[in-house]
Amino acid sequence: GDSVTQMEGPVTLSEEAFLTINCTYTATGYPSLFWYVQYPGEGLQLLLKATKADDKGSNKGFEATYRKETTSFHLEKGSVQVSDSAVYFCALSNTGFQKLVFGTGTRLLVSP
Amino acid sequence: DADVTQTPRNRITKTGKRIMLECSQTKGHDRMYWYRQDPGLGLQLIYYSFDVKDINKGEISDGYSVSRQAQAKFSLSLESAIPNQTALYFCATSDSKGDKNIQYFGAGTRLSVL
Repeated sequence: GDSVTQMEGPVTLSEEAFLTINCTYTATGYPSLFWYVQYPGEGLQLLLKATKADDKGSNKGFEATYRKETTSFHLEKGSVQVSDSAVYFCALSNTGFQKLVFGTGTRLLVSP
Repeated sequence: DADVTQTPRNRITKTGKRIMLECSQTKGHDRMYWYRQDPGLGLQLIYYSFDVKDINKGEISDGYSVSRQAQAKFSLSLESAIPNQTALYFCATSDSKGDKNIQYFGAGTRLSVL
């Protein structure tokens, strides 16, 4: 079945550091890919998405590019802030049934 | 006010008790979902409903039941709670007439079964 694999956390960075959180997927067909973010005490919210190969999703300084050849959708940000501290979930949705399959989440901790 | 509201936010109960978690939404979406979140396991789908008359089991439906009382309301019941149902539970919605793949989440209900 479809699955998503994320790097384990926590990822600990200093403010203004470069961030990469790795995500790879296994799926039949051509899934849509997502990054959701969960801030402390809150539900998940969509951060960015990409619906086809080579698409780049971007939002709030975060970016991720849909790489079909490596089945990856890595999340990057050039300069993290303390307010970016959260849990980040990679997810996919396959055609035919709009169900989200989530990775296990990666906690990001940013210190001043 | 939140678009997707879950009640209660926290609940402690005892083994064997029946409890209900409620979810209501003001987004006008037709699709609703229940997930549980466990540390290191991400989110797992319990049940989903694509409209009031459509209820479907997810990956981990055993021990749970749901009711879609109206388009805006979707409740999750634990008929006889057990300790391994201790988890964080999320309700989510999506719109079949919009981007079906985007789901909107409530703030969660933290459930402890003693």
